[in-house]
Amino acid sequence: QITLKETAPTFVKPPQPLTLTCTFSGFNFAERGVGVGWIRQAPGKSLEWLALIYWNNVKLYSRSLETRLTITKDTSRNRIVLTLITVGPEDSATYFCARADIDYPVISFNHFDPWGPGIHVSVSS
Amino acid sequence: QITLTQPVSVAGSPGQSVTISCTKSVSVTGIKSAVSWYQQLPGKSPRLIIFDDTLRPSGVPVRFSGSMSGDTASLTIVPLKEEDEAHYFCSSFGGLTGVVFGGGTKVTVL
Repeated sequence: QITLKETAPTFVKPPQPLTLTCTFSGFNFAERGVGVGWIRQAPGKSLEWLALIYWNNVKLYSRSLETRLTITKDTSRNRIVLTLITVGPEDSATYFCARADIDYPVISFNHFDPWGPGIHVSVSS
Repeated sequence: QITLTQPVSVAGSPGQSVTISCTKSVSVTGIKSAVSWYQQLPGKSPRLIIFDDTLRPSGVPVRFSGSMSGDTASLTIVPLKEEDEAHYFCSSFGGLTGVVFGGGTKVTVL
């Protein structure tokens, strides 16, 4: 059974950085065709993709946030960490991580499955 | 960068059919950019219900189906059940611009 779980501080003050950790189990991140992505959802809003990291360490970022985001992997501890710097109230949202299925050898993202339960982060001074 | 456009809401009575469209703003060439669909029940995380435009993961009821015509993907639910009331999001891949989600569609069961 594949599971993912997000952890992060629930309150952050601007302009501090926000560090989110995705701890997963049930799959091997070193396996070809595997990735993990981060997605967020502000209250009442749609899903916003943030970042994606592949098994071969290829990293993709949302164009609108790429100067503020860093995604890294710690394969030995089954963790994917996303850091968002200089947060503001607009970064308040529920943050999800999800296992990504990557088509190989074309190296195209296919879908996210499954998703973690999400964690709500509030940014306020 | 591509965008995906969905209707804000659709509604139907139990037993009827509802279809949600998802239209790509531009055609993506040179890479595979299949559409996937996610169901989000209130207070829950999204759940994959269709991938590769038309494929259904194991455990997803057969009343959910996906199709693709040109730059428009569609999700059809038939017969509609009360438990299908949720938000539905489509998603695709834009290459180096990454993953994109549609704005989401609220399905209301009358």
